[in-house]
Amino acid sequence: NAGVMQNPRHLVRRRGQEARLRCSPMKGHSHVYWYRQLPEEGLKFMVYLQKENIIDESGMPKERFSAEFPKEGPSILRIQQVVRGDSAAYFCASSPRISGTYNEQFFGPGTRLTVL
Amino acid sequence: AQSVTQLDSQVPVFEEAPVELRCNYSSSVSVYLFWYVQYPNQGLQLLLKYLSGSTLVKGINGFEAEFNKSQTSFHLRKPSVHISDTAEYFCAVRLPSGGSYIPTFGRGTSLIVHP
Repeated sequence: NAGVMQNPRHLVRRRGQEARLRCSPMKGHSHVYWYRQLPEEGLKFMVYLQKENIIDESGMPKERFSAEFPKEGPSILRIQQVVRGDSAAYFCASSPRISGTYNEQFFGPGTRLTVL
Repeated sequence: AQSVTQLDSQVPVFEEAPVELRCNYSSSVSVYLFWYVQYPNQGLQLLLKYLSGSTLVKGINGFEAEFNKSQTSFHLRKPSVHISDTAEYFCAVRLPSGGSYIPTFGRGTSLIVHP
């Protein structure tokens, strides 16, 4: 059973360009979470999605950032008009259907975004 | 809201020595507690978790942690470390129910094991 997959692993963009980060959850997982890790900081929650639904986007910046998890295909985190402050590692995690009890999140290897 | 404090940003230790990584949390309600390990250029991997029951929790790679409710702590320990334990360690808390089940992470402790 393949783990959570993220691509690309490394992404370089110039200021003003768009960045698209993709996350394929583990097989059978219908919940996806995106986190951002700035240098020497812990992970900060950005957004939580189920298929075709955004459940919690309380950690997303109000502008330039968006996320989707379509019925088919991977989840996409999109950053428009990137700035140098967007340089970070972006991690995706997935979990199985929430049942009211503990559900472990499984993390992908991350995408390291560098904005020049 | 809950929060997590990892007091040590770096912990250097010699191989085969014991180590303790400290984690304190703040919450007005009961929480679930986790320790994750992040090896260089990799994602987070769950080391262990406390949900309920015994306050001493054993995890993978010989790590264990003890939940202390009165001190609101969840320190991670290993009696004898290896070079391969060099990594970043994150403590996290999460509400048992309600909300979006989103964990709150500490800033991390870098464990550096010297030969």
